[in-house]
Amino acid sequence: QSALTQPASVSGSPGQSITISCTGTSSDVGGYNYVSWYQQHPGKAPKLMIYEVSNRPSGVSNRFSGSKSGNTASLTISGLQAEDEADYYCSSYTSSAWVFGGGTKLTVL
Amino acid sequence: QVQLQESGPGLVKPSQTLSLTCTVSGGSISSGGYYWSWIRQHPGKGLEWIGYIYYSGSTYYNPSLKSRVTISVDTSKNQFSLKLSSVTAADTAVYYCARVGSGYYFSLNYFDYWGQGTLVTVSS
Repeated sequence: QSALTQPASVSGSPGQSITISCTGTSSDVGGYNYVSWYQQHPGKAPKLMIYEVSNRPSGVSNRFSGSKSGNTASLTISGLQAEDEADYYCSSYTSSAWVFGGGTKLTVL
Repeated sequence: QVQLQESGPGLVKPSQTLSLTCTVSGGSISSGGYYWSWIRQHPGKGLEWIGYIYYSGSTYYNPSLKSRVTISVDTSKNQFSLKLSSVTAADTAVYYCARVGSGYYFSLNYFDYWGQGTLVTVSS
């Protein structure tokens, strides 16, 4: 399985919205609603932000939302805040295995 | 609140076997309903799924690592473990243990709880 494709970096100013894309194939992202997103601050473990394409775990801000169209999933963060600056990874589950994206570094200007 | 904690040597010699243990608290592995997984992150790089185990002992491994990986479970200690044989410098990474949960689709498919991670360096 090949890694999912994410942009290396995105940036935005406080209060703005940004979207991070995650492109796979019809065998992973496009074939199942099993896309999840993780936030990772430097030196910390990843944290689940979105599961099954668009669902937020309890405690995750509603500024985070997820969607999918075809083979591309997206994570949108609205009302950017300084603490959102982190690395973000998408993941897709398929056939008893997981594949991750290469990660996107979000910079809040 | 489920918590996971990795433990094991931080330095392993090339060609030897890397061994890590994940201790779970706040929940019982033997109650079922979840997979228990290992994931690693090479320095400055992305995440790589290694494999998972169910409380019954059934496992599934990343095909790229399958020949060198063994994951086992000790329900009496509420722990699961990773062994990676014949390590090289390319296996230097932060190793995370994580729980795999399910949502609306009743399929275990995302990592909802993670350990803090442990850095394993392969060097002579």
